[in-house]
Amino acid sequence: DVKVTQSSRYLVKRTGEKVFLECVQDMDHENMFWYRQDPGLGLRLIYFSYDVKMKEKGDIPEGYSVSREKKERFSLILESASTNQTSMYLCASGLRYEQYFGPGTRLTVT
Amino acid sequence: RKEVEQDPGPFNVPEGATVAFNCTYSNSASQSFFWYRQDCRKEPKLLMSVYSSGNEDGRFTAQLNRASQYISLLIRDSKLSDSATYLCVVNPPGRRALTFGSGTRLQVQP
Repeated sequence: DVKVTQSSRYLVKRTGEKVFLECVQDMDHENMFWYRQDPGLGLRLIYFSYDVKMKEKGDIPEGYSVSREKKERFSLILESASTNQTSMYLCASGLRYEQYFGPGTRLTVT
Repeated sequence: RKEVEQDPGPFNVPEGATVAFNCTYSNSASQSFFWYRQDCRKEPKLLMSVYSSGNEDGRFTAQLNRASQYISLLIRDSKLSDSATYLCVVNPPGRRALTFGSGTRLQVQP
């Protein structure tokens, strides 16, 4: 079974803090993705990576950056957390069309 | 106009009913289409791909209508366990990543 793990299920941070969300996959997938999911807006792509050290902006990259130093690990960084970044963050890995999601991190920024 | 649009529902149906959801997409050149399923407070999972000729998997049938730019999902003999949000997913041309709709919620009642 493919396994995608995320470092935290719940996270509470203060405005202005730097936040790191980690994602690890065990299937040697080249593609990894970060989404946020908000009620009524669905899943929106923040960034994705199709190879180590390669990244591409998604639909809503502002306020975020990513890092992929190893194939199995893809990190999402909130440089200076703001309240409008309170959301559910989902990591996925996979083939181009079949993506396997992690359980998500519910981030609250106060 | 959103790239992928879905009726958010909820669709409330009794057990054993047949229910159908539609999803429209804006880019007529899109080639790949999928349905994902997301249970409450869980991550999305691939349900099925949608092929040009239509495809069936047990009680689930997916259809593509290119002329009208929509895809559909038909569920026959609904079970309580079918209660979930169904996400329509499209891969627009020239884009490495998938675009997710915001989902249609199905509630199957005893």
